[in-house]
Formats: sequence, C-alpha cells, structure tokens
Amino acid sequence: EVQLLESGGGLIQPGGSLRLSCAASGFTFSTFAMTWVRQAPGKGLEWVSSISNIGDSTHYGDSVKGRFTISRDNSKNTVYLQMNSLRAEDTAVYYCAKMAWDIILIIPYGQLDYWGQGTRVTVSS
Amino acid sequence: SYVLTQPPSVSVAPGKTARITCGGNNIGSKSVHWYQQKPGQAPVLVMHYDNDRPSGIPERFSGSNSGNTATLTISGGEGGDEADYYCQVWDGSTDHVVFGGGTKLTVL
Repeated sequence: EVQLLESGGGLIQPGGSLRLSCAASGFTFSTFAMTWVRQAPGKGLEWVSSISNIGDSTHYGDSVKGRFTISRDNSKNTVYLQMNSLRAEDTAVYYCAKMAWDIILIIPYGQLDYWGQGTRVTVSS
Repeated sequence: SYVLTQPPSVSVAPGKTARITCGGNNIGSKSVHWYQQKPGQAPVLVMHYDNDRPSGIPERFSGSNSGNTATLTISGGEGGDEADYYCQVWDGSTDHVVFGGGTKLTVL
C-alpha cells in the first residue's frame, strides 16, 4: 500500500524558513518523480514543485521560484521542500504526491496517482 | 503560461448526468487528468489520460478530450459525488504541472 506522510508544517513568521518532509512507502521510490501541491484556505490546488525520479531535474511554479527548493533522498525514501522568505500568501495546506510515468510522452511527469494527507503551513506574525 | 479554465460550479439532480468541462488551448493534444476532492480530504485521481479510469473508480465516471475542451462526465449523480473536481495537464513547453481552477459539483 502506497503511503505518503508529510511533516514539518506549522506557524512561521513572514520572512522565515521551514522545511517540509514527505516520507514515502509502498513503492519503489527511486523510480518515480514527486510533486508538492498546495491549497490556500478556500482556494483551489496550486502546483508548487516537482522533482524527477533521480533528482537531476527540478521544476517550480512561478510564485515560489527562487524561494523554495525541492530535493529528495532516495536512500531515505523522502522528498523535501525547503521554503525560504515565506510570505503570508504561502499559507496553505501542502500536499506531497507521487507522479506516475507519462506512458505517452515517456517522461516522469504523469498523473498524480497518490497523495498524502497534507501538512498545514501558516505564515503570520 | 498554459491556462486551464473550469466553471466554478455545476449542479446535477440525483440520478442525472453531470458534465464538468476544462478548457485550454488545443487541450486535445495533451493528456488530461482529473481529481476529486471532498471537504477536508486530499485529492483523489478519478480519471487519467482523458478517459481511463483508475482502479476502484466507478464506471459512472467517464472522460473525453478534443479540440479545446476536455470533459469529465458523471452519470447517475449521487450525493457521494459532491466534491470539487480539478483537471490537470503537464505543460511540456514550460515543464509545469497545470491545474484548472476547480469546479464544485452539487447534487440536488
């Protein structure tokens, strides 16, 4: 059974930093890309960042580029999101999701087939 | 950047068919995935590659994608289908995951 367990969320002041973790189990972690998606209160889903299966390629949404860094440790089956220079608008539930391989394009960035339950980040003074 | 447009809300009577659209420039050339999110829960994949149902998703869910519009169709609407639905694609020109704004489905 695939499980994704996020941790590291909490209350942080504007300008501060936070590192989220997502521990994965139930599948061969090093085979699949991983993604972070966030959802602000009462809003829709917003893609944050994705990382390839071996970590050699990373991608970021425009609103977080230059402030957030995604990484992974395949020996620990864990993906991370380092969040710096946090702003009030970064307040959201952050979900970790496994990406399936796109079987048509033959790239690691297919559908998000499994999601964690999310960790809440609140940026406020 | 690539934009996906969904209606904010769709209503359907119990037992009837609901259609949720997702508009995008030449979206028919992309693979569209759909997610269902109920209040307080994480999203769940309910359709991938336009019209392929993941294991465990009822046959009442179907999908199509052509031209500038992808559609998620839910036949025989039930109260348990009430949720927010999001379409999603991979934009290869920017290497971005793109979500639609979401559609709230009400069964009444």
